[in-house]
Amino acid sequence: AQSVTQLDSQVPVFEEAPVELRCNYSSSVSVYLFWYVQYPNQGLQLLLKYLSGSTLVESINGFEAEFNKSQTSFHLRKPSVHISDTAEYFCAVSEMGGSARQLTFGSGTQLTVLP
Amino acid sequence: ETGVTQSPTHLIKTRGQQVTLRCSSQSGHNTVSWYQQALGQGPQFIFQYYREEENGRGNFPPRFSGLQFPNYSSELNVNALELDDSALYLCASSLAGQDYYGYTFGSGTRLTVV
Repeated sequence: AQSVTQLDSQVPVFEEAPVELRCNYSSSVSVYLFWYVQYPNQGLQLLLKYLSGSTLVESINGFEAEFNKSQTSFHLRKPSVHISDTAEYFCAVSEMGGSARQLTFGSGTQLTVLP
Repeated sequence: ETGVTQSPTHLIKTRGQQVTLRCSSQSGHNTVSWYQQALGQGPQFIFQYYREEENGRGNFPPRFSGLQFPNYSSELNVNALELDDSALYLCASSLAGQDYYGYTFGSGTRLTVV
């Protein structure tokens, strides 16, 4: 079984400042790692994913996340945030090789970008 | 390419009633998963359907059941509703064998049980 811990439930940050949203996971097997974003009254949108290869993955809107196997972490970062980045962010894992690739989510981090 | 659509968007039911939620998967996807997202929490996996059969289930009681149709659309049925069933119910579709690329989620159905 897997579990995901998002260490901060709320992160307020000023516009154009850098931000890091922390995610740690626990699993007895290898996993795929994901970050999803949820805007108010909407479903989840995939932000980025780590499947294999380079441990640093990037999204098209400037976010990046680094897979650290030894620390079982997959922290999300952005060097300069915008007001439009205000949303709930969920870290999720999926077990490699499972017959049903269910996602196990963390409890979410509300990112609020202040003007 | 159409995304995942869910209906209805909002629903209010009384404790003890039954409810059916519907989901149309993204074009080309053949697997549907359902998640429950309680207020202030992350989504929790209910079950997944592939080839019209349940293909994995989370820690939910049997009163949560589902169907997948030949066109890959799906229903989630919940019997004997309880107050704790109040949540956002999310449907996600994927293509079997490629779902590690990520799921496409619908906007959800907000269920309120009173």
